[in-house]
Amino acid sequence: QQQVKQSPQSLIVQKGGISIINCAYENTAFDYFPWYQQFPGKGPALLIAIRPDVSEKKEGRFTISFNKSAKQFSLHIMDSQPGDSATYFCAARAAPGGSYIPTFGRGTSLIVHP
Amino acid sequence: AAGVIQSPRHLIKEKRETATLKCYPIPRHDTVYWYQQGPGQDPQFLISFYEKMQSDKGSIPDRFSAQQFSDYHSELNMSSLELGDSALYFCASSRGLNEKLFFGSGTQLSVL
Repeated sequence: QQQVKQSPQSLIVQKGGISIINCAYENTAFDYFPWYQQFPGKGPALLIAIRPDVSEKKEGRFTISFNKSAKQFSLHIMDSQPGDSATYFCAARAAPGGSYIPTFGRGTSLIVHP
Repeated sequence: AAGVIQSPRHLIKEKRETATLKCYPIPRHDTVYWYQQGPGQDPQFLISFYEKMQSDKGSIPDRFSAQQFSDYHSELNMSSLELGDSALYFCASSRGLNEKLFFGSGTQLSVL
C-alpha cells in the first residue's frame, strides 16, 4: 500500500508555464514533507521541504502548498524551464518516535518543452 | 562540497552470482541508508545504519546483507542474484537521524 500517493505520473508543460504536482497521505504521524528532484542517472536531490505548521513555503520558483486538514501537499514550479525536466518525488517522514525513514511517492516525470 | 560516493557506478552480474556495493557518506555523516529503485519506480527503502549499528530495516531480501564500518562507509552484499534484482541502488547519508538525506548517484546493477 502506497503511503504517499502522487499525481500525475507524467506532466508536459510549455516553457514559462506552471507545473503542479500533487501528493496525499494518510499517516498523521508524518511531520516532514520533502520534495526530491531526480535527473536520469543521478540520485534524488532534496529540492524543498515543509513542515505542517506552515501552509506554504517558497524558494525561488518552487513553492510547496500544504493542507493539513486534507492531508495533501503540492509542488508548484513557476516559470517552468526546460532544465526543470526531471522526475519529482514527494516524500513524507514521521516525527521522532515514529519511523524516520522517508516514504516516497511514485514520482512524476516532468517534461518542459522549449 | 563532498557528496555521497558510490561504487561501482555500473555492475553486470550473472544469475546466482554475488555483488558488493559500496557507499562512502559525506564526511561527518554517521547515518547511511540504502534504497533500491526499479525502472520507473520510486525508491524503496532497504536498510539503514546509525553509528555502525543497524537502525531500521525495510524490504531487504534475506539474500542481501549490509554493514557499516568504523570509517562509516557501508557495503551492501547481495548473494544468489536474481533477474529481479536489476535496479538502481542508492545510498544516502545524513548527520544523525536527520530528515535531510543526501543521495549518491547510485549503482546500476544489471543481472543477466
